[in-house]
Amino acid sequence: DAKTTQPPSMDCAEGRAANLPCNHSTISGNEYVYWYRQIHSQGPQYIIHGLKNNETNEMASLIITEDRKSSTLILPHATLRDTAVYYCIVRGSQGNLIFGKGTKLSVKP
Amino acid sequence: DAGVIQSPRHEVTEMGQEVTLRCKPISGHNSLFWYRQTMMRGLELLIYFNNNVPIDDSGMPEDRFSAKMPNASFSTLKIQPSEPRDSAVYFCASSLGRQGSGSPLHFGNGTRLTVT
Repeated sequence: DAKTTQPPSMDCAEGRAANLPCNHSTISGNEYVYWYRQIHSQGPQYIIHGLKNNETNEMASLIITEDRKSSTLILPHATLRDTAVYYCIVRGSQGNLIFGKGTKLSVKP
Repeated sequence: DAGVIQSPRHEVTEMGQEVTLRCKPISGHNSLFWYRQTMMRGLELLIYFNNNVPIDDSGMPEDRFSAKMPNASFSTLKIQPSEPRDSAVYFCASSLGRQGSGSPLHFGNGTRLTVT
């Protein structure tokens, strides 16, 4: 299964866009990129996923590079409630999710 | 949509006791996953079922851990005997589909287990 690399932490000002990068250089052609976040010790919350094309939903946008070796999660207008650990995951061949350490995003007033 | 339901939310037990964690997946989902989260090791996949059949249990720590899925709407994770190092938050997740699926996993709110 492809591994991902994320910065351990990031800060973002409230109301600004939060851009969270992820590298997945060993991704294979049929593997999806998933983003989850976890607030405190709640269960991981699904945000968005994509294969090749950019995706947008009510929570965020996902930009995947043409070579699919990296992606960026964009929270367009970050709020204090978006403070969480964000996980970028490439979904394995068995369909399971392998979590890394993620990026701790701190949204500051 | 009730989401994935786990019980109990908290469990405190003494070393050596049997512990059973329960999970009800989202109706219609055919894949179920058990994860464990600790500060030291993060989120670890323990076992994965598809259509009630265990597909990958390579993450189960040792024989003290066992998981069953007797039907599509219920799964248990049992620890016997429990040890202090089993203290963690245990998450259950479910999804629709299997290999190469574009269907996301949906997680429950977890069971916080403390073994004294």
